[in-house]
Amino acid sequence: GQNIDQPTEMTATEGAIVQINCTYQTSGFNGLFWYQQHAGEAPTFLSYNVLDGLEEKGRFSSFLSRSKGYSYLLLKELQMKDSASYLCAVRDLTTDSWGKFQFGAGTQVVVTP
Amino acid sequence: DTGVSQDPRHKITKRGQNVTFRCDPISEHNRLYWYRQTLGQGPEFLTYFQNEAQLEKSRLLSDRFSAERPKGSFSTLEIQRTEQGDSAMYLCASSLQTAGVAKNIQYFGAGTRLSVL
Repeated sequence: GQNIDQPTEMTATEGAIVQINCTYQTSGFNGLFWYQQHAGEAPTFLSYNVLDGLEEKGRFSSFLSRSKGYSYLLLKELQMKDSASYLCAVRDLTTDSWGKFQFGAGTQVVVTP
Repeated sequence: DTGVSQDPRHKITKRGQNVTFRCDPISEHNRLYWYRQTLGQGPEFLTYFQNEAQLEKSRLLSDRFSAERPKGSFSTLEIQRTEQGDSAMYLCASSLQTAGVAKNIQYFGAGTRLSVL
């Protein structure tokens, strides 16, 4: 999506930590979602933030700052299976009432041994 | 497995032919969405249904594209007179929208990969 920016690719070592940043511009913000997508597979839901702060779920955490239009997804204790594309999606109530999702282009995370 | 299922997984067609894809959402979900995804990009919204009503269509959805959800359960996406530019992954997602629940998480199917020769 044109208003959502995230890095194209990140590489990290197995066992390490990686932080994927996402910046967005919207005037009708109503939630930010992170999805994981392995090649050729469905995007799978990871996390949801609507209020500022950190949401932790096992090895994955997601942070949101609405005033800065910024989120990050933190992946800890990286495993080889975490190699995938990570999609940031913003729900926007500006143009209509139902809250359309707008996706970023995704960040390809490559985990090396 | 009661997730979102899509059929077929792959479709190869010649330019000018019509194709139809099917999506079966999670059974209790009242919303169904179609997206298109090309290599290296995130999903782009095409259209969405609340039960059987099609409530929005993207400008990306030309007149050659039509979607239905006749009984508020499964949905079909038809592309008429396919063009090479239609080659993409077509993803379906569903969600349960209820009053007072803000999340409205969308759950995706594995997609139908269309190749137009």
